[in-house]
Amino acid sequence: DAGVIQSPRHEVTEMGQEVTLRCKPISGHDYLFWYRQTMMRGLELLIYFNNNVPIDDSGMPEDRFSAKMPNASFSTLKIQPSEPRDSAVYFCASSLWGRYNEQFFGPGTRLTVL
Amino acid sequence: TQLLEQSPQFLSIQEGENLTVYCNSSSVFSSLQWYRQEPGEGPVLLVTVVTGGEVKKLKRLTFQFGDARKDSSLHITAAQPGDTGLYLCANSGTYKYIFGTGTRLKVLA
Repeated sequence: DAGVIQSPRHEVTEMGQEVTLRCKPISGHDYLFWYRQTMMRGLELLIYFNNNVPIDDSGMPEDRFSAKMPNASFSTLKIQPSEPRDSAVYFCASSLWGRYNEQFFGPGTRLTVL
Repeated sequence: TQLLEQSPQFLSIQEGENLTVYCNSSSVFSSLQWYRQEPGEGPVLLVTVVTGGEVKKLKRLTFQFGDARKDSSLHITAAQPGDTGLYLCANSGTYKYIFGTGTRLKVLA
């Protein structure tokens, strides 16, 4: 079975540009999570969805960040305009309903904003 | 907001040595998970512990959950280079996971 798929794996852009990160969760999973990982702040939850509906976006740092999940097999995280402090590795994860269920992480997108 | 502190932050040891890393919380865990993250990859679940005092073993890895459910430890026996990675604990009691600060382990051959 394919795991969580993220694209692109690496993105280099200039400050002020729009960036779109993509995620395909594991088929059948009903929860999807977006995380950001930096050396300074570690792994932080940005937003999560249940059955394509955003449940908690309190971790989204600013209005420049937005996430959508138009269907069960696709989600995007958009940053507009991007800033150098957005440079980080962004992970998507998915899981099945259940209190202690495992989160399956994708390989991440390494974003560099110059 | 719950804070998860892990120690040590960095650990470099020789192959064959034993080690223990710790995860301490500012509040009680409802359940706790340990993940390992290898360079260039996402975290992968190692174990979930739920009951205070619980001990789980996974080959050379032993996980212990504190009686008061505010701390946990991961002990590795006879470490191997394949154990190299970032070890993360997480409060998995709700879907709003909180991850610890991580312990970066390097095992030298």
